[in-house]
Amino acid sequence: QVTLKESGPVLVKPTETLTLTCSVSGFSLNNTNMGVTWIRQPPGKALEWLAHIFWDDEKSYNSSLQTRLTISKDTSKSQVVLTMTNMDPVDTGTYFCARRLHGSGHFDYWGQGTLVTVSS
Amino acid sequence: EIVLTQSPGTLSLSPGERATLSCRASEVVSISYLAWYQQKPGQAPRLLIYGTSNRATGIPDRFSGSGSETDFTLTISRLEPEDFAVYYCQQYGYSPGTFGQGTKVEIK
Repeated sequence: QVTLKESGPVLVKPTETLTLTCSVSGFSLNNTNMGVTWIRQPPGKALEWLAHIFWDDEKSYNSSLQTRLTISKDTSKSQVVLTMTNMDPVDTGTYFCARRLHGSGHFDYWGQGTLVTVSS
Repeated sequence: EIVLTQSPGTLSLSPGERATLSCRASEVVSISYLAWYQQKPGQAPRLLIYGTSNRATGIPDRFSGSGSETDFTLTISRLEPEDFAVYYCQQYGYSPGTFGQGTKVEIK
């Protein structure tokens, strides 16, 4: 059974750095073609793709946020970590991680999401 | 960046009716990289359709997808009560992958 679960702070202050962790089970981050993507959703708004990482450590970032984002994985812990620097209130929203297989364009399994509020 | 425009913004229908949702891309999208998701309040999106017309595991056959190049459609043949939700299209032919703004299917 494939599952993903996001964890991280509920509240961050403006200018701070956000660190989110996606813990996965039911598949290995080492397996060929496996990948994890971070996606966010401001309250009442649409989804926005942020970054992804594949089994071979290939990474890609949303170009409009690239300077603020870093994605990494720890295969021994089955975790993918996203850091976003210089947080702003407009970054408030629910952050999801999702599985994406290399060579496909869709996300077949999603975590439940974690709500992050940016406020002083 | 490819922009996906979904229409209509809201679709008001009754159970049993047919729903037709549109997704228009600003540039040609490979049919291999067009997907549709359903999202209910407080939940993560759920994959419905991938590769334009392939139903994901466990998705009932009342959901179907079609289209090519810049015009794509999600059809729900007969709405069930659990189908009232927001639907998003998504492309990943070009980085970054992008989502449409969503179509809300509400009970009339």
